[in-house]
Amino acid sequence: SQTIHQWPATLVQPVGSPLSLECTVEGTSNPNLYWYRQAAGRGLQLLFYSVGIGQISSEVPQNLSASRPQDRQFILSSKKLLLSDSGFYLCAWSGRTDLNQPQHFGDGTRLSIL
Amino acid sequence: QQQVKQSPQSLIVQKGGIPIINCAYENTAFDYFPWYQQFPGKGPALLIAIRPDVSEKKEGRFTISFNKSAKQFSLHIMDSQPGDSATYFCAAKTGRRALTFGSGTRLQVQP
Repeated sequence: SQTIHQWPATLVQPVGSPLSLECTVEGTSNPNLYWYRQAAGRGLQLLFYSVGIGQISSEVPQNLSASRPQDRQFILSSKKLLLSDSGFYLCAWSGRTDLNQPQHFGDGTRLSIL
Repeated sequence: QQQVKQSPQSLIVQKGGIPIINCAYENTAFDYFPWYQQFPGKGPALLIAIRPDVSEKKEGRFTISFNKSAKQFSLHIMDSQPGDSATYFCAAKTGRRALTFGSGTRLQVQP
């Protein structure tokens, strides 16, 4: 069966520090991968999605970047964190063999910027 | 046009009640409408999904009603239980694009 792992689960970082959040998927090949951010009490905002290694689409201009160095690895990064980067970051994957594949989410990373 | 509007923002029902959460959309190209359930500190989990060629889909105590002409769909939870207390998100997508989510409904089922 397929599983998705995100780490760390929680992270507290000072303003101006770098960020690296990692997401890996097991049990599937060539997945579509997504990064979302969820502000407290709000819906999910799509940040990046990837349909293949090295292929990244950005949905909103921001202080963050994403990379996909391997088929089942998706990394969310920042060179200098801002206070507004605080939130709950979720990675998701979906299969590519069917147009209506559901997205499956990891358990997220709670990021607090001080 | 990519928005999905969800209501209510929060909902409190008694055990055994039938909470109803509504969503509306504008983009007629949307062709897949899932509902997700999220518990605190966890990622959203797929609950049930429907395609626009079906007016209703039922899985256990969860039912989606879909009105294509009104561009609305709703989630009904039959015989709700305290364990159903969570945040529920509707979503929609077209083709291979990512999901567009509603803003969420916090449901509380009182014992």
